[in-house]
Amino acid sequence: GAGVSQTPSNKVTEKGKYVELRCDPISGHTALYWYRQSLGQGPEFLIYFQGTGAADDSGLPNDRFFAVRPEGSVSTLKIQRTERGDSAVYLCASSLKGVLGTDTQYFGPGTRLTVL
Amino acid sequence: GNSVTQMEGPVTLSEEAFLTINCTYTATGYPSLFWYVQYPGEGLQLLLKATKADDKGSNKGFEATYRKETTSFHLEKGSVQVSDSAVYFCALIMQGGSEKLVFGKGMKLTVNP
Repeated sequence: GAGVSQTPSNKVTEKGKYVELRCDPISGHTALYWYRQSLGQGPEFLIYFQGTGAADDSGLPNDRFFAVRPEGSVSTLKIQRTERGDSAVYLCASSLKGVLGTDTQYFGPGTRLTVL
Repeated sequence: GNSVTQMEGPVTLSEEAFLTINCTYTATGYPSLFWYVQYPGEGLQLLLKATKADDKGSNKGFEATYRKETTSFHLEKGSVQVSDSAVYFCALIMQGGSEKLVFGKGMKLTVNP
């Protein structure tokens, strides 16, 4: 596809359940990023992949959050034992190389997660 | 740590008014600076960027100049349009460090005809 895609666009779950959020980056982009945006706030960094490996996971809030990118393309963000405080829009972005701090990151439309 | 502070809204302007959105940053090294925009119902998209001091980014009539001496990257437009109504985010990435974007809180702009 032409842009970053994310599925599902909306996810409603109950407290304590497990969820997976998927991101398809722009073809050929080696760097992939996950951010979380709460209402009225700017996006906050969660994790950054360079190829298949997590180059920086310092933004993951706790060990309930985990992300993978096994083949260096599609990525899945996994949240275990969801809590109401996890409710937010989860954004995925990709960039061509993700080096030198000058690449443009292209964002997907986001997945709105609501934990009841 | 590294952070971005931008003026808080919401702001309402009339069409053809002049726009300035202030953005200052705190960084331990040398950042690249970005303005992202989120139009109603759409995803975040890059508006403009600058990667070194005194560079000016421009796009769609918007401009911002990287001022290292004042650690600022203020966004300006001479004459806003109704279609500029959106939320604007200032952000930085540390060059030579992690590639994570650090965002400000965003400012909602509404332009009335």
